[in-house]
Amino acid sequence: DTGVSQNPRHKITKRGQNVTFRCDPISEHNRLYWYRQTLGQGPEFLTYFQNEAQLEKSRLLSDRFSAERPKGSFSTLEIQRTEQGDSAMYLCASSFPGPTPFEQYFGPGTRLTVT
Amino acid sequence: AQSVAQPEDQVNVAEGNPLTVKCTYSVSGNPYLFWYVQYPNRGLQFLLKYITGDNLVKGSYGFEAEFNKSQTSFHLKKPSALVSDSALYFCAVRDENFGNEKLTFGTGTRLTIIP
Repeated sequence: DTGVSQNPRHKITKRGQNVTFRCDPISEHNRLYWYRQTLGQGPEFLTYFQNEAQLEKSRLLSDRFSAERPKGSFSTLEIQRTEQGDSAMYLCASSFPGPTPFEQYFGPGTRLTVT
Repeated sequence: AQSVAQPEDQVNVAEGNPLTVKCTYSVSGNPYLFWYVQYPNRGLQFLLKYITGDNLVKGSYGFEAEFNKSQTSFHLKKPSALVSDSALYFCAVRDENFGNEKLTFGTGTRLTIIP
């Protein structure tokens, strides 16, 4: 399967712990996005990379959140000092480069539960 | 700013009947519009998009959507519903402004096809 992959699929952690998620985009896609989805809501944009450059960050991305894409391939999203409000599905997406607005292809997500 | 409204949380349709899932949007420039479907425990799957041109857009699995600029709507339609169409559907919008890569999603509409 050459789609977007995310690991782990599920993560349970205690409040105050740090967690890190990984996203591997489709190989020829240079754009990568992180979204967060809570129950009953649509995905909310967190941040966006073009190659290794982080070009846009949402105000939802507090200083406890950090995302990286060091070599322009896979990306990691780290949450420090997790809070119960961080419990959500974290979705990664990727898209083709170019001026035409290509659709974003989503991974299966990482479900985070903070206890 | 960009926003999307999906006015119906739930839509029930009998198998074989036509279905419509409603979406209205708000952007400052011209919109790029997308429909995604989400099945349980799976990521978002792209159905179709409107960028420019013909107002009637055809997509995957027999779905189509009609862009109406005067009504700022982008309703999803299918002539004959299948039980397998039962899922959660999300409309999303992106403003055409260059550099804006963020998708804004609606809250979703749960479509149930009744056998």
